Amino acid sequence: DSGVTQTPKHLITATGQRVTLRCSPRSGDLSVYWYQQSLDQGLQFLIQYYNGEERAKGNILERFSAQQFPDLHSELNLSSLELGDSALYFCASSVEPNTGELFFGEGSRLTVL
Amino acid sequence: DQQVKQNSPSLSVQEGRISILNCDYTNSMFDYFLWYKKYPAEGPTFLISISSIKDKNEDGRFTVFLNKSAKHLSLHIVPSQPGDSAVYFCAASSRGAQKLVFGQGTRLTINP
Repeated sequence: DSGVTQTPKHLITATGQRVTLRCSPRSGDLSVYWYQQSLDQGLQFLIQYYNGEERAKGNILERFSAQQFPDLHSELNLSSLELGDSALYFCASSVEPNTGELFFGEGSRLTVL
Repeated sequence: DQQVKQNSPSLSVQEGRISILNCDYTNSMFDYFLWYKKYPAEGPTFLISISSIKDKNEDGRFTVFLNKSAKHLSLHIVPSQPGDSAVYFCAASSRGAQKLVFGQGTRLTINP
């Protein structure tokens, strides 16, 4: 158990819809990262927050947005969903912004039909 | 632009033998490299790392080798055990960057 909690674990929705994925980082971790893993692909970095502020952005689509709340949990919002958005979405946390060890949650599997 | 590449999608090794997983990178700014291990229905977990100032780092049965001139790193597992069967991801980062860049992963299967 990494200490990072993601909900929901599975989500099935239709094209055009909007979903919100939630992440609670390890106790004490200020940084939250979001990664996307599509079929047979590596983990693609989406975005990082540190103590409530956006710190780094990757290949995140304009239809996607995220935020980190005062209690340090984070939400990833995916809107106008397309079939290609079907993927595993991982949240990870670390003590501070760093380029080293991240602690990953179990992921949220999104299926867009 | 795949900056970190794991060219072998899968690898099968007999129990007790050595497993060698390979990773190549293109970005010369990368100075920190990590290996993560992932079991089904779980998130990736950190396994071992190496800084660019070293060429080898060892932790028990796991050793990572870095060849900066070839922009290549490898993970050696000796001896391989059935519990090592998992997907292994190579990752890299550069000082000041806030993200890890991951390879596509290699599925390692250890056969009894």
